[in-house]
Amino acid sequence: EAGVAQSPRYKIIEKRQSVAFWCNPISGHATLYWYQQILGQGPKLLIQFQNNGVVDDSQLPKDRFSAERLKGVDSTLKIQPAKLEDSAVYLCASSPRTSGRGTDTQYFGPGTRLTVL
Amino acid sequence: GESVGLHLPTLSVQEGDNSIINCAYSNSASDYFIWYKQESGKGPQFIIDIRSNMDKRQGQRVTVLLNKTVKHLSLQIAATQPGDSAVYFCAEKGGSQGNLIFGKGTKLSVKP
Repeated sequence: EAGVAQSPRYKIIEKRQSVAFWCNPISGHATLYWYQQILGQGPKLLIQFQNNGVVDDSQLPKDRFSAERLKGVDSTLKIQPAKLEDSAVYLCASSPRTSGRGTDTQYFGPGTRLTVL
Repeated sequence: GESVGLHLPTLSVQEGDNSIINCAYSNSASDYFIWYKQESGKGPQFIIDIRSNMDKRQGQRVTVLLNKTVKHLSLQIAATQPGDSAVYFCAEKGGSQGNLIFGKGTKLSVKP
């Protein structure tokens, strides 16, 4: 089966510009996640979708970050305006089951490496 | 607060030796733990998981041990190979929505 697809793989922008990332999860996966991974650290959850609804966006900096999954399949994450500290790898992951406690194997895409100058 | 940490940021082993990567977690309510492997330029790749009602689980060349008394998790890799070189993350499922919380990672380097 095809894995999680993300694009672009790399993006370089100047601060105060806007940028968007795209993710296509594994077919049939109900739950989609966006993570931010700063160099040398583990991924940090930004937002979690179940189908087309937001389950958890408590760690999303909503003044500049937004995300949507309108049809419950692919998703976009936007940053506007970008700051220097947004330089990171943005990972998308999907899992087959609905959110909640219990086992939940997440499958990750290759990520988009963002550099803000 | 909830956190997952690792005892050693780097680990260097000889090819063929066994590797042990350790992880401490702080949320005693976490009920599910996963080890991920991340190679350079790639996303994390699932290795093995364990539920809190178990203390050991084995996969192919990998074993995860869970000690809930001291809130400690370890990943053992048998006969470490050059292809095992990567950063290894432990993650716990214990957020308010049952989300994964990742630790900082341990870089494993395998010397030929």
